[in-house]
Amino acid sequence: DTGVSQDPRHKITKRGQNVTFRCDPISEHNRLYWYRQTLGQGPEFLTYFQNEAQLEKSRLLSDRFSAERPKGSFSTLEIQRTEQGDSAMYLCASSLGGTSGRYEQYFGPGTRLTVT
Amino acid sequence: DAKTTQPNSMESNEEEPVHLPCNHSTISGTDYIHWYRQLPSQGPEYVIHGLTSNVNNRMASLAIAEDRKSSTLILHRATLRDAAVYYCILQGGSEKLVFGKGTKLTVNP
Repeated sequence: DTGVSQDPRHKITKRGQNVTFRCDPISEHNRLYWYRQTLGQGPEFLTYFQNEAQLEKSRLLSDRFSAERPKGSFSTLEIQRTEQGDSAMYLCASSLGGTSGRYEQYFGPGTRLTVT
Repeated sequence: DAKTTQPNSMESNEEEPVHLPCNHSTISGTDYIHWYRQLPSQGPEYVIHGLTSNVNNRMASLAIAEDRKSSTLILHRATLRDAAVYYCILQGGSEKLVFGKGTKLTVNP
């Protein structure tokens, strides 16, 4: 048990609907990350927060994607007008802050999204 | 993003040591070497990381070449639960982890 939790674990939605995922990081971690993983590929970085500030976003994060981390605790990832290409595992991770690479990231179990 | 090269797959027998290699010839002085693994249908799991010196923890050992252009993850006694995809990742100057295809480790009983 890594301590990072994600909800829901599975989500099936119809194309065009909006979905929101939640991530609760390890409590003392001030950095929170979102990744996306499609079948047979390694995870791809989407965005990360330090406390409540969103500091980096991948170009993979289109205008239909938005992430928030109010008060620097849990985070939400929303996808608007879902497309079939959004079907993937969405992974959340957290870590302590500090020099890049110094601290490891702990991943949650992921939310598997299926868009029909 | 600094690149790593790993074999696509490796096999081991249960209770034998496993040495998973990783080449990273373009590593910069501030890059940490991280290893993660991912079991089927689970999120990635942190294994070990280091900068210059060899590292040991309860899961594995990390041997880093003197020139830092390669490293080896050592599982001292493989178990069936160690069957996973192992990712070698360089991280420095950016917070994101860049995952390659990794090495799929099969452990035979």
